[in-house]
Amino acid sequence: DTGVSQDPRHKITKRGQNVTFRCDPISEHNRLYWYRQTLGQGPEFLTYFQNEAQLEKSRLLSDRFSAERPKGSFSTLEIQRTEQGDSAMYLCASSSPGRNSYEQYFGPGTRLTVT
Amino acid sequence: GNSVTQMEGPVTLSEEAFLTINCTYTATGYPSLFWYVQYPGEGLQLLLKATKADDKGSNKGFEATYRKETTSFHLEKGSVQVSDSAVYFCALSPYNFNKFYFGSGTKLNVKP
Repeated sequence: DTGVSQDPRHKITKRGQNVTFRCDPISEHNRLYWYRQTLGQGPEFLTYFQNEAQLEKSRLLSDRFSAERPKGSFSTLEIQRTEQGDSAMYLCASSSPGRNSYEQYFGPGTRLTVT
Repeated sequence: GNSVTQMEGPVTLSEEAFLTINCTYTATGYPSLFWYVQYPGEGLQLLLKATKADDKGSNKGFEATYRKETTSFHLEKGSVQVSDSAVYFCALSPYNFNKFYFGSGTKLNVKP
């Protein structure tokens, strides 16, 4: 069990470019979450997958954001036409099925800077 | 709607002092409540939880009681250590753990 991993750890992009982040959850975890965290704030929920199905999506998520989990394992989060307001830490978390599904394990995050 | 409000930090205490970090929530239905901790340079990790009213969550000497009447879930520890220095986040999940709402975090500094 190597924990939740995210790639890249840091991304600097110019406004208007598209970016894609990857999250690899803990292998037996079927639940996967994406969050955005800005400085001095707590994580803000973006979306939730159970296996490959995207079951929850925040209303705050604009159409420029899309997430996939095609085989129920790793997940990608894409941001199209990035804006400076997208600069944040993007966190991924996973949890197991069953009784302990409330316990999220967080990855180290991808820090996005839009210039 | 659903939201979590935490006391602002930073909170600075001397070692062995008593800690309280206040957390109140607004929720539809009957949420589960959580405290997460983020140590310097590390990711968030679950500290404790309570899934129904009057439940007390506890871990590593920390405790929090789910108070439905006051919509609160205050974090307490009787004697803090320098190693408790971290950022603490209160969170709720309204149902089935499909979605979580986090507070803004409270930074705790414990001085020797």
